Amino acid sequence: GQNIDQPTEMTATEGAIVQINCTYQTSGFNGLFWYQQHAGEAPTFLSYNVLDGLEEKGRFSSFLSRSKGYSYLLLKELQMKDSASYLCAAMDSNYQLIWGAGTKLIIKP
Amino acid sequence: GAVVSQHPSWVICKSGTSVKIECRSLDFQATTMFWYRQFPKQSLMLMATSNEGSKATYEQGVEKDKFLINHASLTLSTLTVTSAHPEDSSFYICSARATGEAGELFFGEGSRLTVL
Repeated sequence: GQNIDQPTEMTATEGAIVQINCTYQTSGFNGLFWYQQHAGEAPTFLSYNVLDGLEEKGRFSSFLSRSKGYSYLLLKELQMKDSASYLCAAMDSNYQLIWGAGTKLIIKP
Repeated sequence: GAVVSQHPSWVICKSGTSVKIECRSLDFQATTMFWYRQFPKQSLMLMATSNEGSKATYEQGVEKDKFLINHASLTLSTLTVTSAHPEDSSFYICSARATGEAGELFFGEGSRLTVL
């Protein structure tokens, strides 16, 4: 079956770094997405990885290892506004997104 | 980036009535649009895939006669919740992928439905 696993909740301190992990099992693979979702709002796109390696975009970076079925989202210089849920989603061979349950990130001063 | 507009953002209705939610791609053409629902503190659940000019593909467990989807043009898909009941109260979100693109999905703002 198809499955995405990511931690339910994480807590970090303002100004610090946090890494949110995601493992996936899909029928075929056409890329891994990370979305940010604030409470009561729609998700917003953060990153897309289809090749192995690290993609850096400002304070946010995303890593993919296809052989391990593993990705992580790295957030640096955390700000209070980064408190949100972070959704990992893998695209299967039919270009359908398989969603993780989301990781709620709590930032403390 | 591309913009997807969803309307209405909030809707409150009486049990038994029908509610229509619109999803528009404003600056690109979307052959495929997706409809999701999200209950509090849960992830997105795909309800159906809407393809322009053809019938929507519903996920297992989603009643096609209750959640009517119409994708009449390359920029508009609608979701109609028919004979709504309190258990249909949820956050409904649409997303669209530009024609020919297999990558990024653009999300609407979401519509919060409350059925009294």
